[in-house]
Amino acid sequence: DTAVSQTPKYLVTQMGNDKSIKCEQNLGHDTMYWYKQDSKKFLKIMFSYNNKELIINETVPNRFSPKSPDKAHLNLHINSLELGDSAVYFCASSQSGRDTEAFFGQGTRLTVV
Amino acid sequence: GDSVTQMEGPVTLSEEAFLTINCTYTATGYPSLFWYVQYPGEGLQLLLKATKADDKGSNKGFEATYRKETTSFHLEKGSVQVSDSAVYFCALTRKEYGNKLVFGAGTILRVKS
Repeated sequence: DTAVSQTPKYLVTQMGNDKSIKCEQNLGHDTMYWYKQDSKKFLKIMFSYNNKELIINETVPNRFSPKSPDKAHLNLHINSLELGDSAVYFCASSQSGRDTEAFFGQGTRLTVV
Repeated sequence: GDSVTQMEGPVTLSEEAFLTINCTYTATGYPSLFWYVQYPGEGLQLLLKATKADDKGSNKGFEATYRKETTSFHLEKGSVQVSDSAVYFCALTRKEYGNKLVFGAGTILRVKS
């Protein structure tokens, strides 16, 4: 039973398209995140939601819009895809409070052609 | 802002060699420190963590000690195996910033038989 699951695992699309990535966690956590891993493996936070409320919004283009319909789900919609959006996107979840660890999904490899 | 610096890779070792991956951090207050591991084609898994000064995290033969005086959290293993080949990420969180993970650049470890 997967703790944090993302779909799709791979996504190949053309420039200018709009796409969504879905994430679900069954750990009962109240906080979910999106991280981006670039081609050099560098990981950076994009967004974080706590109890469906946006609490972290790093300097990400407006074309990226997260949506959290409930505590267990956090989706990422990307408009007008660009070549530079090609990366691996990881969803993660944790329970708020100190000393908590984050659990990661398997990642979605997005390739924009 | 908070940051994590870890030694550049790749690190290539023979099986049963001793491993050290250096990690230092910059942060105000008292961050929690983590080592995550990413095996090829997979998401990140927590390897170990330490939440206060002088704590030692350990798991699967890996160890790291939270050294506040040197702001370091170096990862060590006495005898590596081929199956330890992966990318290792040092990271920190602070509750004041929504527990977002701030990652180092990652260190690729290759273990040869």
